[in-house]
Amino acid sequence: QKEVEQNSGPLSVPEGAIASLNCTYSDRGSQSFFWYRQYSGKSPELIMFIYSNGDKEDGRFTAQLNKASQYVSLLIRDSQPSDSATYLCAVSPSGTYKYIFGTGTRLKVLA
Amino acid sequence: GAVVSQHPSRVICKSGTSVKIECRSLDFQATTMFWYRQFPKKSLMLMATSNEGSKATYEQGVEKDKFLINHASLTLSTLTVTSAHPEDSSFYICSALDRGTGELFFGEGSRLTVL
Repeated sequence: QKEVEQNSGPLSVPEGAIASLNCTYSDRGSQSFFWYRQYSGKSPELIMFIYSNGDKEDGRFTAQLNKASQYVSLLIRDSQPSDSATYLCAVSPSGTYKYIFGTGTRLKVLA
Repeated sequence: GAVVSQHPSRVICKSGTSVKIECRSLDFQATTMFWYRQFPKKSLMLMATSNEGSKATYEQGVEKDKFLINHASLTLSTLTVTSAHPEDSSFYICSALDRGTGELFFGEGSRLTVL
């Protein structure tokens, strides 16, 4: 059973702090990794994707991938109350376009 | 950027009726679309993979006769919930794959409430 696991939270951080979200996956052959943000009652929206080991930065967001340890993380710098949402980690196993989603981590940024 | 439109966004129906949800890719041709359902505070669960011009591939535990999927064109996939029951009430989300970029774009979601 291919799985993607996340801590459900809520993770509370003060405004301006760094929020760190983690995700582990079981399929060692996974090739593509995604972070989505989902506001309550809305559809997920893509924040970042990462394919290679290491860090990938985009504005206030940094994705980190460690395939040997099978984890992927998302750092949000200078967190804002508008960042409060559920963050979904998604993994695409090799040879398929299917995305396996984690249960999501609920982030609360306190003003 | 690419847009995927899903309709209707909300639907309320009586138990025993059928409901059709449409998913359209507006900016690109989507040979592959995916249908998910999401219960409150839960993650997206893949229901089926919809391939243009062929039968959908259903995930284990999903009743193909209850959730009918049709992908008759490169820009449209439909999900029909047949003989809906209250336990089918959920948030249904489609996504379309842009094979050119490998990116998956989500529709806005459809909230189904079966009375």
